[in-house]
Amino acid sequence: GNSVTQMEGPVTLSEEAFLTINCTYTATGYPSLFWYVQYPGEGLQLLLKATKADDKGSNKGFEATYRKETTSFHLEKGSVQVSDSVVYFCALSATLYFGTGTSLTVIP
Amino acid sequence: NAGVTQTPKFQVLKTGQSMTLQCAQDMNHNSMYWYRQDPGMGLRLIYYSASEGTTDKGEVPNGYNVSRLNKREFSLRLESAAPSQTSVYFCASRPFSGGATDTQYFGPGTRLTVL
Repeated sequence: GNSVTQMEGPVTLSEEAFLTINCTYTATGYPSLFWYVQYPGEGLQLLLKATKADDKGSNKGFEATYRKETTSFHLEKGSVQVSDSVVYFCALSATLYFGTGTSLTVIP
Repeated sequence: NAGVTQTPKFQVLKTGQSMTLQCAQDMNHNSMYWYRQDPGMGLRLIYYSASEGTTDKGEVPNGYNVSRLNKREFSLRLESAAPSQTSVYFCASRPFSGGATDTQYFGPGTRLTVL
């Protein structure tokens, strides 16, 4: 069946460090892939998405590339800021399944 | 344009009590969803409505019922609340049920505690 496996958290980084949050998926067909963020006390908001293989989604310095050969959609950012300290969710469109979330804390 | 709104924001129930969580969207979306979020579990789909007049079970439907009242509103009912239903409940909507590229839009959540 369809599923999403996301890197366990929490993750703690120093400001300006490089961020990678791993996400792999199992799916039939060709799903779209999403990264959402969740601020404390709020619902999820879209960060970026990719709709087909080799597409790169990007927003606010974050990037993720849809890799069909490795069934992955890893989230990356070159230099994290304190304001990036939120929870990140990877998701598949076809089944509307979400990963378990990765909490990121960036220390000044 | 308020997006997705949910009421109430917080609720405390005793075991066996019933309540209805309300959700409304003003974006003319066809599909609406109810999730629960528990620590370490991510979001799990309870029920969804692909279009007005239809509802389907998700991953964890037991203990819940839903009503798609009209295109705007999708309610979630707990008939006899149990402590295991203590969670944060999110409503979401998206334009089309079959739209693989569609983004979901989430409400702010209802924090429910069952004693």
